[in-house]
Amino acid sequence: AQSVTQLGSHVSVSEGALVLLRCNYSSSVPPYLFWYVQYPNQGLQLLLKYTSAATLVKGINGFEAEFKKSETSFHLTKPSAHMSDAAEYFCAVTYTDKLIFGTGTRLQVFP
Amino acid sequence: GAVVSQHPSWVICKSGTSVKIECRSLDFQATTMFWYRQFPKQSLMLMATSNEGSKATYEQGVEKDKFLINHASLTLSTLTVTSAHPEDSSFYICSARTSWGPNTEAFFGQGTRLTVV
Repeated sequence: AQSVTQLGSHVSVSEGALVLLRCNYSSSVPPYLFWYVQYPNQGLQLLLKYTSAATLVKGINGFEAEFKKSETSFHLTKPSAHMSDAAEYFCAVTYTDKLIFGTGTRLQVFP
Repeated sequence: GAVVSQHPSWVICKSGTSVKIECRSLDFQATTMFWYRQFPKQSLMLMATSNEGSKATYEQGVEKDKFLINHASLTLSTLTVTSAHPEDSSFYICSARTSWGPNTEAFFGQGTRLTVV
């Protein structure tokens, strides 16, 4: 069965600093991987997805993620954090037709 | 992108009563919708998969008699929490895909915060 693990439940960065949110996956078949963002008391919004077309995936709001099969990773990065990036981020993998989420990482951005 | 609307966004009910949450796909038809539950500062846990015109498929450990799911049309799925108790207080989120396939994007409703007092 597919699963994802997010290392670090909290990440704090200064505004303008690099953002790195980690996600490792476990899958017996080529995975479909997603990153979602959730703002307080709201649903989830798709940031980007990996569907095997390209290993470096660019998403919205300046985020990108690189699929590394050798490391079974799909880490999310952004070169320069903005205050508005403060939110909860979820990595997810598709299992049959279901989305299975990681435990989430809360990103704090300090001025 | 496609829009999924969830209603109500928050509800407070008395213990023992039932609460219905609606999930609508506004600009597309959703054969399948998904219901998630999220505890404070935790991840989303899939509760059930709702299929139009048939019975929902519940995940292990989810009480199907307590969480009634009805998917009466291609644009509407409802979750009814029956005989609610304080431990049912949580954030409930629905999602739907615009087409088949595991690589297609899932669109989420804005969630419903249920508080049982």
